[in-house]
Amino acid sequence: KAGVTQTPRYLIKTRGQQVTLSCSPISGHRSVSWYQQTPGQGLQFLFEYFSETQRNKGNFPGRFSGRQFSNSRSEMNVSTLELGDSALYLCASSSIQGASEQFFGPGTRLTVL
Amino acid sequence: AQRVTQPEKLLSVFKGAPVELKCNYSYSGSPELFWYVQYSRQRLQLLLRHISRESIKGFTADLNKGETSFHLKKPFAQEEDSAMYYCALYGGTSYGKLTFGQGTILTVHP
Repeated sequence: KAGVTQTPRYLIKTRGQQVTLSCSPISGHRSVSWYQQTPGQGLQFLFEYFSETQRNKGNFPGRFSGRQFSNSRSEMNVSTLELGDSALYLCASSSIQGASEQFFGPGTRLTVL
Repeated sequence: AQRVTQPEKLLSVFKGAPVELKCNYSYSGSPELFWYVQYSRQRLQLLLRHISRESIKGFTADLNKGETSFHLKKPFAQEEDSAMYYCALYGGTSYGKLTFGQGTILTVHP
């Protein structure tokens, strides 16, 4: 099976802009989780979607949002970008109902100037 | 609240030496614990989970509920083990949320 894919792999934006990142899970996986990875904060959970429903959300401002489509592909959106949003954004998919065992994509490197 | 602590940011050993990466957790219920590894320029990948109780690439980890620890061990380190290692916790009703430690960079010298 193909692994989790994320597009684009790299993005450069300026403050105030918005950005959309995409994630395609492993075929058959219905749960998609998103994480932000930074040198200072490490890996932090953003949110999780299962069957097009957000089931869990981390402690991030409302500028961070996401959605999941009927084919389980997911997108996350960050509006009004800030310098501190520069990070590697990872998505992970799981076939398990509770989504404990997760398989990660390569990430999207977002740089905000 | 759930928390994972990896006390060592950096760990250096010589090839053939034993290695232990420490992980302590805080969680009120019965968590699932995982070790993930990230080799240079590769994606984060699952190394092992406590439920399966298996050995992967010579690594083992035992969940000690009394000490709330899940240390990763290997009796004889290899140079190809050099990587970043993350301990992660999943709580029963977390729905897709893994809580990660800060990670330990393991360097195995020849």
